[in-house]
Amino acid sequence: LAKTTQPISMDSYEGQEVNITCSHNNIATNDYITWYQQFPSQGPRFIIQGYKTKVTNEVASLFIPADRKSSTLSLPRVSLSDTAVYYCLVGDVYRRNYGGSQGNLIFGKGTKLSVKP
Amino acid sequence: EAQVTQNPRYLITVTGKKLTVTCSQNMNHEYMSWYRQDPGLGLRQIYYSMNVEVTDKGDVPEGYKVSRKEKRNFPLILESPSPNQTSLYFCASSRLNNRDSYGYTFGSGTRLTVV
Repeated sequence: LAKTTQPISMDSYEGQEVNITCSHNNIATNDYITWYQQFPSQGPRFIIQGYKTKVTNEVASLFIPADRKSSTLSLPRVSLSDTAVYYCLVGDVYRRNYGGSQGNLIFGKGTKLSVKP
Repeated sequence: EAQVTQNPRYLITVTGKKLTVTCSQNMNHEYMSWYRQDPGLGLRQIYYSMNVEVTDKGDVPEGYKVSRKEKRNFPLILESPSPNQTSLYFCASSRLNNRDSYGYTFGSGTRLTVV
């Protein structure tokens, strides 16, 4: 069971780069790391997913060190609209096993990011 | 547009009156699931389904029922709602056995109040 640990909250200002780190010391060989974003009263939205090294898309970058025991979500030049809760999930993407029984997608408490003007 | 559609978005009901929250996806996903979200408790899984006619309990299944008679639909049934089921509910779907990069698709949510 790859439990994840994230900071409860973070503050930033518009235009800054934000890095949110997630610890997952017990990550298994088949596990992937996935990040979701959730705005108030909306469903979580997939941001990025990776297995090792670095992954980048149009929204964010994901840095994963060689030991894979942690990962960092990087949001470049945040704006007020990036204020949301960010969740880190670790699990076997292929078997949809995120730490519970197969198919059980387990969300932690997430990191509440507040972006100020 | 690929999406998960939940209905209704808002619902106020009385204790004991049976209700159904519908969920439909148009992506031919095998996997579907229901979550509830409560302040301070985060997202908790109620039930999930790996395919048609295959359902299983999540972390908080008590007081809920589901069915998966068709691939696209996964209704959540509250036979006798109680006030402790007042919550924000989300339906989600995903492909299985595929390391795609799109993860799970969530619906817009159903805010249920039981009085």
